[in-house]
Amino acid sequence: DIQMTQSPSSLSASVGDRVTITCRASQDIVSYLNWYQQKPGKAPRLLVYAASTLHAGVPSRFSGKRSGTDFTLTISSLQPEDVASYYCLQSYSLQPWTFGQGTKVEIK
Amino acid sequence: EVQLVQSGAEVKKPGESLKISCKGYGYNFSTRWIGWVRQMPGKGLEWMGIIYPGDSDAKYSPSFRGHVTFSADKSTDTAYLQWNSLRSSDTATYYCARRGEYSNPDYWGQGTQVIVSS
Repeated sequence: DIQMTQSPSSLSASVGDRVTITCRASQDIVSYLNWYQQKPGKAPRLLVYAASTLHAGVPSRFSGKRSGTDFTLTISSLQPEDVASYYCLQSYSLQPWTFGQGTKVEIK
Repeated sequence: EVQLVQSGAEVKKPGESLKISCKGYGYNFSTRWIGWVRQMPGKGLEWMGIIYPGDSDAKYSPSFRGHVTFSADKSTDTAYLQWNSLRSSDTATYYCARRGEYSNPDYWGQGTQVIVSS
């Protein structure tokens, strides 16, 4: 199975800061990497798919990038409404897909 | 508008059976894979597996194979997640999600909370 290693597990940053979350795949997944935002008590929301394509309606301060088997989600200017947990999901071939462990983002 | 609507919260005892549902609206339900995701209290997301409603082809993550069953009824645009014998460790919120065009789960149900307690 493909393992996804996500870091950090949590972070605290100030409003306006640039924030970066990383996921590393245990093998080549091409660009089959998605990023989700989840707020407490809510379903996950798709932010980025195919490693770097912003889903419809997602603010442009979010961006995704691939470098080999390393993937990053960047929030260019952290806003209060971005407080949430963030997860990567690899969806290479049909099974089994795997999530990263999650990153909890808070405001300092 | 694409929507996935899940059945309501359940409280069950260990050893009981349960079937929860996920109904699709606003797209051709039979032609898009539906995945299931578990989230235990205070924990992260876990991918359980996926089913194709068109022919009920199902694929399970190793951690869940043999304990849960996916099914689908394309006549009612509904997918199901079933347990024959619940354990207290099945206490969690379960989400269904549609596989998008780029192999990305794009639309999600609102989640079904399952509590298993004696």
